[in-house]
Amino acid sequence: NAGVTQTPKFRILKIGQSMTLQCAQDMNHNYMYWYRQDPGMGLKLIYYSVGAGITDKGEVPNGYNVSRSTTEDFPLRLELAAPSQTSVYFCASNQGGSNTGELFFGEGSRLTVL
Amino acid sequence: QQPVQSPQAVILREGEDAVINCSSSKALYSVHWYRQKHGEAPVFLMILLKGGEQKGHEKISASFNEKKQQSSLYLTASQLSYSGTYFCGTEGGYQKVTFGTGTKLQVIP
Repeated sequence: NAGVTQTPKFRILKIGQSMTLQCAQDMNHNYMYWYRQDPGMGLKLIYYSVGAGITDKGEVPNGYNVSRSTTEDFPLRLELAAPSQTSVYFCASNQGGSNTGELFFGEGSRLTVL
Repeated sequence: QQPVQSPQAVILREGEDAVINCSSSKALYSVHWYRQKHGEAPVFLMILLKGGEQKGHEKISASFNEKKQQSSLYLTASQLSYSGTYFCGTEGGYQKVTFGTGTKLQVIP
């Protein structure tokens, strides 16, 4: 199993451009999450999903959008990129339900907005 | 509210012990602990559940004081591989984890 796969690993954007960060998991997990981590800081929740067709905002959702059309995929869209969105983005998944357990993280996508 | 961790950073020599503390202003039902090495994703260490149940994968222990809304991670006989940043996390609905401020641990020979 590949676990959680994120693409791209690195990307440089110009201010005002848009892009989509892809996230896919092959563990049949119901819950998926997007976090961002600024340099030297902790992780902040952007959006999360508890199943296909169901998404909700986390702590820092402004400037982002998500969709969950399948159990496997949870893309994060950045509209009108700003320098404040320069960060490392981590996608994570969890089995959900009554299982309280670990988050499985992807390797991260490093985004720079210039 | 983000959990607060202490200390912010610590340097240990191999074989020494360390304690990392995590405090929350909200009631805790479970506490997660993760370790992140530079340039990598966080890796799950353990989860402590209300009632005392502990689930983990590594030989690192932790405590969970529900009344004080605190958790502590105990690293004994530290190894070079223990170096990294440690994050605690408090769990909300739908198993959303709010991560703490982080503690940077460096183990030197």
